[in-house]
Amino acid sequence: EAQVTQNPRYLITVTGKKLTVTCSQNMNHEYMSWYRQDPGLGLRQIYYSMNVEVTDKGDVPEGYKVSRKEKRNFPLILESPSPNQTSLYFCASSFDRYNEQFFGPGTRLTVL
Amino acid sequence: DAKTTQPPSMDCAEGRAANLPCNHSTISGNEYVYWYRQIHSQGPQYIIHGLKNNETNEMASLIITEDRKSSTLILPHATLRDTAVYYCIVSSIRGKLQFGAGTQVVVTP
Repeated sequence: EAQVTQNPRYLITVTGKKLTVTCSQNMNHEYMSWYRQDPGLGLRQIYYSMNVEVTDKGDVPEGYKVSRKEKRNFPLILESPSPNQTSLYFCASSFDRYNEQFFGPGTRLTVL
Repeated sequence: DAKTTQPPSMDCAEGRAANLPCNHSTISGNEYVYWYRQIHSQGPQYIIHGLKNNETNEMASLIITEDRKSSTLILPHATLRDTAVYYCIVSSIRGKLQFGAGTQVVVTP
C-alpha cells in the first residue's frame, strides 16, 4: 500500500532532550516536506526537500534540522526541543513539487 | 510567494453543490493553485490542482478565473463526509507551500 509513515505518533518529552521524528515513504517520491500545525496558525512548512541531499527552509525552520540521505526517508530532528515546539507535525511526499502531496498520519509532540 | 484569502466558514446542505472561493491576487504566472482538505486532525488530503485551465476529477471541479487572481472549488454533491477544513494553496517555483487558515465547511443533513 502506498503510504507515508511517521514515528512516533505521540511523544511527550522534556526541554533540551534531543529527539528525531522519522518519516518514510514507499512511493519513490522525490519531494518531501515537514509541516507543523498549531491552533489558529494552520499548517506551516518547516523544511522541504526536492531530492536526495537537497533541502531548503520553509516558513518556520528555526529549531529544526532535517536530512535527506536517501530518497525514502526524511527525518525531522529537534536538537534541543523547547515548549514552543509543542505541536502536531505532518510529513508529506509527492512525485515532484508540482504534484499532489501525500500526508502522513501526524505526530503529536509535547515538550514539557 | 502568493498568499491566499478564503472565507473562514461556510455551511452546505447535503446533496447540494458547495462552492468554495479563494482569492490569490498576487499569484505569479508559473504558480499552481492547489486544494486540500483536512478532517479533524488527520493528515491533509489532496483534492485537485490547476494552473490556468479549469480542472475536474472524481472529487471536485476547479474553476480558475482568466486573470488567475481567484478560483472556486466545487464539490458537486456534498455529503456529510465532506465536512472538513478546505485549504487553497499557491505553490512557489521553489516548491514551498503556504497553507492559509482555510475554510471550515459544515455539511448539514
